[in-house]
Amino acid sequence: GAGVSQSPRYKVAKRGQDVALRCDPISGHVSLFWYQQALGQGPEFLTYFQNEAQLDKSGLPSDRFFAERPEGSVSTLKIQRTQQEDSAVYLCASSLVWQGHNNEQFFGPGTRLTVL
Amino acid sequence: AQSVTQLGSHVSVSEGALVLLRCNYSSSVPPYLFWYVQYPNQGLQLLLKYTSAATLVKGINGFEAEFKKSETSFHLTKPSAHMSDAAEYFCAVSGGTGRRALTFGSGTRLQVQP
Repeated sequence: GAGVSQSPRYKVAKRGQDVALRCDPISGHVSLFWYQQALGQGPEFLTYFQNEAQLDKSGLPSDRFFAERPEGSVSTLKIQRTQQEDSAVYLCASSLVWQGHNNEQFFGPGTRLTVL
Repeated sequence: AQSVTQLGSHVSVSEGALVLLRCNYSSSVPPYLFWYVQYPNQGLQLLLKYTSAATLVKGINGFEAEFKKSETSFHLTKPSAHMSDAAEYFCAVSGGTGRRALTFGSGTRLQVQP
């Protein structure tokens, strides 16, 4: 496809359930980012991959959050034992290799997670 | 550490009026600055970016922003608002060794009145 796609677009989970959110980046994009956007807030960084290597996971809020990109393309964000405070929109973005003048990140439509 | 402050969570203008959305940043290194727009139930779309080539940056849909280092500002403007400009706007900063992620402001919701 032409852009970043994410699935599912909407996910409702009961507290304590595990969820998996998928991101398909733009073909050929080396860098992949996950952000969390709470209601009424700006996106906040979760984690970053360059190819299959997770270079920065400093934004993951707890050890219940786990992300992977095993083949350097599709990425999955997994949240274990979901809590109500995990309710948010999860955005995925991809970009070409980090270059000073070319760090435009292309965003997917997001997955809206609601934890009941 | 980097941070972004967007003054005014809501801005309302009349159609045809000037749009001014304010953004101030804090960065210990020369920053890269971005403005993104978000329509309901959609991802963020890049409006424009500052990468040190020129202080006045022109973007899509008639928007532009001026980088002012002395004021640590990167305000977004558009001379004449259109109804289709109604959306959420986010200012973001990146830069620094190893810091590839964007740091976003809390956003400004723009309303355009007919």
